[in-house]
This record gives sequence, structure tokens and C-alpha cells, in this order.
Amino acid sequence: AQTVTQSQPEMSVQEAETVTLSCTYDTSESDYYLFWYKQPPSRQMILVIRQEAYKQQNATENRFSVNFQKAAKSFSLKISDSQLGDAAMYFCASTFKAAGNKLTFGGGTRVLVKP
Amino acid sequence: KAGVTQTPRYLIKTRGQQVTLSCSPISGHRSVSWYQQTPGQGLQFLFEYFSETQRNKGNFPGRFSGRQFSNSRSEMNVSTLELGDSALYLCASSLAAAGAGTGELFFGEGSRLTVL
Repeated sequence: AQTVTQSQPEMSVQEAETVTLSCTYDTSESDYYLFWYKQPPSRQMILVIRQEAYKQQNATENRFSVNFQKAAKSFSLKISDSQLGDAAMYFCASTFKAAGNKLTFGGGTRVLVKP
Repeated sequence: KAGVTQTPRYLIKTRGQQVTLSCSPISGHRSVSWYQQTPGQGLQFLFEYFSETQRNKGNFPGRFSGRQFSNSRSEMNVSTLELGDSALYLCASSLAAAGAGTGELFFGEGSRLTVL
């Protein structure tokens, strides 16, 4: 079974500053995938970034980047140059090849952006 | 391209009743997954359908069921509703089938179910 843990219930960041969200996971699979999903107050969840476990290079999408530490089973998300629109719940999630679209989610981190 | 559409958006039921929720995936997506979101349990996987077949199932009682139609639209049904079934039910569609392992899901806005 996979588990995903987000230890920060809430994080606050000043506009234009950087914030890092923590995520740890546990899995016995070798071929797995990690994700960060964003759920704004309107509730529609969107994929922010995706990382394949076999890739050593950290994924990056514009202002969003991850720090994937495979040995430590850590997968943190860095939001650079924070914008008001970044305010949302952020969920870390994992799946493995055979599980397909069955994602295991962490409890979420609420990000507040101060103008 | 239209996104994932879920209906109804809000509904109120009483204990013992049943409810059916509908989900229309993005055009061309053949995989539909359902998740339950509650403040206490967070996001939990219910089931996934691909080409009208259930490919994966979460740890929910048999009161929770689903199906998928030939046009990829999906419905989920909850029978004999309990207070604890109050939740946001999210549907997500994907191009990849179960087993492809991409996990890249496109979510709808959800159906908010309140059980009184």
C-alpha cells in the first residue's frame, strides 16, 4: 500500500516570495509516479506537476518546481514568485504503474498568499 | 474543449435514500475515476472505469457502485445513504487507461452531497 503525508496543514507566503510545501511518501513499488495537484476555492482540482520516479531530474513547470529525494522518499513543491492566484489547497499524490489512475493523496496544505 | 462536467452540483438527501451522480468526461477520454472528498478522510479513491469496465476499486462498501456507458459517461450510485456519506464527490477523466500509470487526471468541479 502507498501512503502520502503532508505535514504542513497551512502555509502563508508574501506575494512575490517563495514557499516550499513538504510531502513524504512510502511505497514498495519501483515504478511509481508523484504529483502535486492544486484545488482552488472553486474546487476544480488541476495538475501542477508530475514526476516519474525513474527520472533523476527534478520536474519544473514555470514557477513550480519539485525537489525529489528518492532515497528519503521526499517530494517537496517550491512555488517561486508567488501570486495571489496561487492561493489554494495543494495535494501531493502518488500512484504506481499497475494502479494506473488510482491516486493516493496526502491530507493537503492550504497556501495563503498575502498581498 | 469542454472540461469534465458533473451533475448535479449540489444535492440534499435524507438517510436511507439513494443518489445517482453523473459525470461526462473530456471528449476522447475513456477513463473515468471517482473520488470522495471529506474534511475527515480527505480524498479517497472510489473506482475507475475504462471502456465500460471497472478497472480498479477502492475500499468502500458495496453501497457505492458505478458504471460507464459506451460514450464514456459515468454514473455513480450510493444506496441506503448514511450521514457519513456527506461529501464532495469528484469525477476525473484521463486519456490513459488503468495500468498505463500516468495519473494525469482532469477533474470536474464535483457534486456536493449532504445527507440529513
